[in-house]
Amino acid sequence: NAGVTQTPKFQVLKTGQSMTLQCAQDMNHEYMSWYRQDPGMGLRLIHYSVGAGITDQGEVPNGYNVSRSTTEDFPLRLLSAAPSQTSVYFCASEGTSAGELFFGEGSRLTVL
Amino acid sequence: DAKTTQPPSMDCAEGRAANLPCNHSTISGNEYVYWYRQIHSQGPQYIIHGLKNNETNEMASLIITEDRKSSTLILPHATLRDTAVYYCIVRVGSNSGYALNFGKGTSLLVTP
Repeated sequence: NAGVTQTPKFQVLKTGQSMTLQCAQDMNHEYMSWYRQDPGMGLRLIHYSVGAGITDQGEVPNGYNVSRSTTEDFPLRLLSAAPSQTSVYFCASEGTSAGELFFGEGSRLTVL
Repeated sequence: DAKTTQPPSMDCAEGRAANLPCNHSTISGNEYVYWYRQIHSQGPQYIIHGLKNNETNEMASLIITEDRKSSTLILPHATLRDTAVYYCIVRVGSNSGYALNFGKGTSLLVTP
């Protein structure tokens, strides 16, 4: 099993550009989520999904869109990037038992 | 979810036990205590969780007080690779759709 895979690992954008951060998991987990982590801060929830076709907002959803067309994939879209979105983004998935979240290795985004 | 309070930093000598405290005085009866850690800039890693009873796995032990208002994560024989930020989180059980409130955690430095 690869676990949770995020791509790209690094990305530099200009203000106003759009992009999609990809997240895929091969554990058949229903629950997936996106967090962002700014320097010296803990992780903050952006969006989450409890199953295919179902998404909901987290603590800091503005500027981000998500969709969940399959169990495996949960992409995060930045429609018009802003410097305030410079951060490290983590995707996570969770199965139905134990309450253990599996995190990807992160995607480091810089918006100039 | 209940809030948690952790010391910002701790030191531990290699080979000794590392005892990381966490206060969660407003914890509800259906909330679990979870511990994660984040090594350098990697994705957080699940360590252990519990509800009422003490728990032990291959990584650590979790001691929860009888009134459940505080807990201690014990790394029995700390190694240099245990240097990380440790997060104590309380939440309703798994797959609930609730975010994990990571806070700022405790930065543990294991020294030779």
